[in-house]
Amino acid sequence: GQQVMQIPQYQHVQEGEDFTTYCNSSTTLSNIQWYKQRPGGHPVFLIQLVKSGEVKKQKRLTFQFGEAKKNSSLHITATQTTDVGTYFCAESTSGTYKYIFGTGTRLKVLA
Amino acid sequence: SQTIHQWPATLVQPVGSPLSLECTVEGTSNPNLYWYRQAAGRGLQLLFYSVGIGQISSEVPQNLSASRPQDRQFILSSKKLLLSDSGFYLCAWSPRTGNYGYTFGSGTRLTVV
Repeated sequence: GQQVMQIPQYQHVQEGEDFTTYCNSSTTLSNIQWYKQRPGGHPVFLIQLVKSGEVKKQKRLTFQFGEAKKNSSLHITATQTTDVGTYFCAESTSGTYKYIFGTGTRLKVLA
Repeated sequence: SQTIHQWPATLVQPVGSPLSLECTVEGTSNPNLYWYRQAAGRGLQLLFYSVGIGQISSEVPQNLSASRPQDRQFILSSKKLLLSDSGFYLCAWSPRTGNYGYTFGSGTRLTVV
């Protein structure tokens, strides 16, 4: 079945350092989404990537979809304490309405 | 604008008791609806999804069931709760057409004692 590997599981960084989380799938994906969940909160949609090799930016966040559409990454430049939370990728294969979530990367930012 | 309501926010239930969690969406029609469960410090597990009234797809064999009696209402139920049913239950919706992200409800923290 479809498996979603997300690494690292945890990441502690000093404020101002960069952060990257990676998502790898065992299957070719139709698209991939990224979510952020603050401690005690619910996941919030950040972005969706559809095209092979696609790169999208949201301020300090850069999202990338692999050429083979089997992996993706989220990079945060110069982290801030507001970036604290768990980042999830969510994958969908063609023809389905459902998304399978990765295990998440929990980010802590030390001031 | 669209909103999603999920209640209750927290729930403590004894083992063997029934469960009913409700989720409603406003401001849209024919949404896809989803129930996810998140164990403490873990990822999100898809439990059920629905693309229309009375249409329920189950992803994981378990002690739970789901129903969609109205277009914008999604209910998660159990006849007899188990300790392992404890977790953070999240309802979500997405538009029927087009590629858009999920909008999650604020969740229900269920503790089975």
